Amino acid sequence: QAVVTQEPSLTVSPGGTVTLTCGSSTGAVTSGHYPYWFQQKPGQAPMTLIYDTSNKHSWTPARFSGSLLGGKAALTLSGAQTDDEADYYCLLSYSGTWEFGGGTKLTV
Amino acid sequence: QVQLVQSGAEVKKPGASVKISCKASGYTFTRYTMHWVRQAPGQGLEYMGWINAGSGDTKYSQRFQGRVTITRDTSANTAYMELSSLRSEDTAVYYCADLGGTRDWGQGTLVTVSS
Repeated sequence: QAVVTQEPSLTVSPGGTVTLTCGSSTGAVTSGHYPYWFQQKPGQAPMTLIYDTSNKHSWTPARFSGSLLGGKAALTLSGAQTDDEADYYCLLSYSGTWEFGGGTKLTV
Repeated sequence: QVQLVQSGAEVKKPGASVKISCKASGYTFTRYTMHWVRQAPGQGLEYMGWINAGSGDTKYSQRFQGRVTITRDTSANTAYMELSSLRSEDTAVYYCADLGGTRDWGQGTLVTVSS
């Protein structure tokens, strides 16, 4: 079973830029892993931010973007706002099943 | 609008089973795949499995193989997740999510396993 790795915690200043990454124990993350990114605030259900590496949901703020970077999936937040303080999870596909990363606690 | 509405909280004894429902509205239920995810208190998200709502095909995470069964009722636009042989470590909030279509999540169902 693959292990998906994320930074446990990151801090960004309001207005700043931060990149969260998502790696795989099986090797480089590719578009074939169909990377997803989710935001979860305390006491709430997760919300889908990014799907299939870089596609945004209709409710995804423009300041969020997804990409592949250095063999990992990446979520970049440009112009951070205090409302972006949350836990962020990536999800990767492995031959029909899926694995979550451990999550990144983002402090703004 | 799209909604995934889950059944209410459950309290179960160790060794019992629990079955949670997820009723979809606002889109064509059989077009997409419903996924199930859980989150233990203070922990991260854990993937459980999925069902193709059209064909009924399923696939489960290895860590739940043999204990989880995901089904659907197309006439009711509802997906179900049943987890058996419950133990205290199964205490968690369980979510359904349509990740491939509407990208929407249910509100979550708290399952408490306690003697």
